[in-house]
Amino acid sequence: ETGVTQTPRHLVMGMTNKKSLKCEQHLGHNAMYWYKQSAKKPLELMFVYNFKEQTENNSVPSRFSPECPNSSHLFLHLHTLQPEDSALYLCASSLAGSPYEQYFGPGTRLTVT
Amino acid sequence: AQTVTQSQPEMSVQEAETVTLSCTYDTSENNYYLFWYKQPPSRQMILVIRQEAYKQQNATENRFSVNFQKAAKSFSLKISDSQLGDTAMYFCAFMKQSNYQLIWGAGTKLIIKP
Repeated sequence: ETGVTQTPRHLVMGMTNKKSLKCEQHLGHNAMYWYKQSAKKPLELMFVYNFKEQTENNSVPSRFSPECPNSSHLFLHLHTLQPEDSALYLCASSLAGSPYEQYFGPGTRLTVT
Repeated sequence: AQTVTQSQPEMSVQEAETVTLSCTYDTSENNYYLFWYKQPPSRQMILVIRQEAYKQQNATENRFSVNFQKAAKSFSLKISDSQLGDTAMYFCAFMKQSNYQLIWGAGTKLIIKP
């Protein structure tokens, strides 16, 4: 598979559940990102990893916990979410420290009930 | 803090027409990069065009071109000979040279009508 992949594509979870989102990139990049996309709002940068090290946590609530075991994989662990966390979660990758484009996955549509 | 504003929440044009999407940004930086991304319905976000602030020449990619006005902090996207496949959300984004992170506008929904 090529590019940036994300699983699952859709997820419905209750507020007491624990789930994880997975992202994988096959582009040889060394920076990975989690974004939250809500309707009619700018994309919100959540976390940035450069060379597996977290370099940005954009004031994200602790119910979101990222993990980056290597430069190709990124996870977002979810627990005790709120209904307002329902959104499209996008993963992206790029070359670290470069002004070039980020490549995006298709996203996970998360619904919190 | 940098901000990006897209003042047109939605636009629609007929196929083959030319359409211009507006974007303004606010920054005190002198060196930065600007991007237009496209997100088709239920499909992945992809880069449309990119502009370096230090370049005076406007970027062009086939039917897509920008009008970059640095003093006015304006970065509009022109789509010529629009096609049905151009229907998508279009996002303007600003990248600081200091950390290479993107700051996004809220997007413009563009509908191309047959």
